[in-house]
Amino acid sequence: ETGVTQTPRHLVMGMTNKKSLKCEQHLGHNAMYWYKQSAKKPLELMFVYSLEERVENNSVPSRFSPECPNSSHLFLHLHTLQPEDSALYLCASSQDLASAEAYEQYFGPGTRLTVT
Amino acid sequence: QQQVKQSPQSLIVQKGGISIINCAYENTAFDYFPWYQQFPGKGPALLIAIRPDVSEKKEGRFTISFNKSAKQFSLHIMDSQPGDSATYFCAAMGGGGADGLTFGKGTHLIIQP
Repeated sequence: ETGVTQTPRHLVMGMTNKKSLKCEQHLGHNAMYWYKQSAKKPLELMFVYSLEERVENNSVPSRFSPECPNSSHLFLHLHTLQPEDSALYLCASSQDLASAEAYEQYFGPGTRLTVT
Repeated sequence: QQQVKQSPQSLIVQKGGISIINCAYENTAFDYFPWYQQFPGKGPALLIAIRPDVSEKKEGRFTISFNKSAKQFSLHIMDSQPGDSATYFCAAMGGGGADGLTFGKGTHLIIQP
């Protein structure tokens, strides 16, 4: 595997379900991000992690719960979602947050989530 | 409040022509301006990026022009090819990665053969 991978690629869940999205980066990076891509809206930053520490929570509802067990893996735990949460959820990584290399973010292919 | 405004929303260009996409930003703390290319079913891929200390950066057929005083930057695709048909996003970031990237809404580019 190379780059940033995400599983599953597609997910359909009911509003009462609990599911998790997984992201893995194979780039040796120290920072990871969750973004939400909805139709007709710009990509929105959800969470930022640096060395497994959360550094940004962009006013995201508590029904989205991130977890970063190590610098290579990032999870997004989902529970009691709403239909308007249907979107493409993208994971990204960068070298770190402070250096010039920090600015280059590499994205995974995303998980297409549909909430019914 | 949308901090990065992108236009046009969609663009059709003939093969061999020049595709031009424009973005304007509001936050003067931004110091990094990348462009991403996204194909259907794929995540955004970094295409080219510029810092505000230069006015232009060129990589192959792709050029970013940057106007700091106007707070505008644009992507030019020279000799546009059908394989360039994709959605293009401008973005901006400042002060390191903690705030993530602020994206424009995207431009759906179609290159007609």
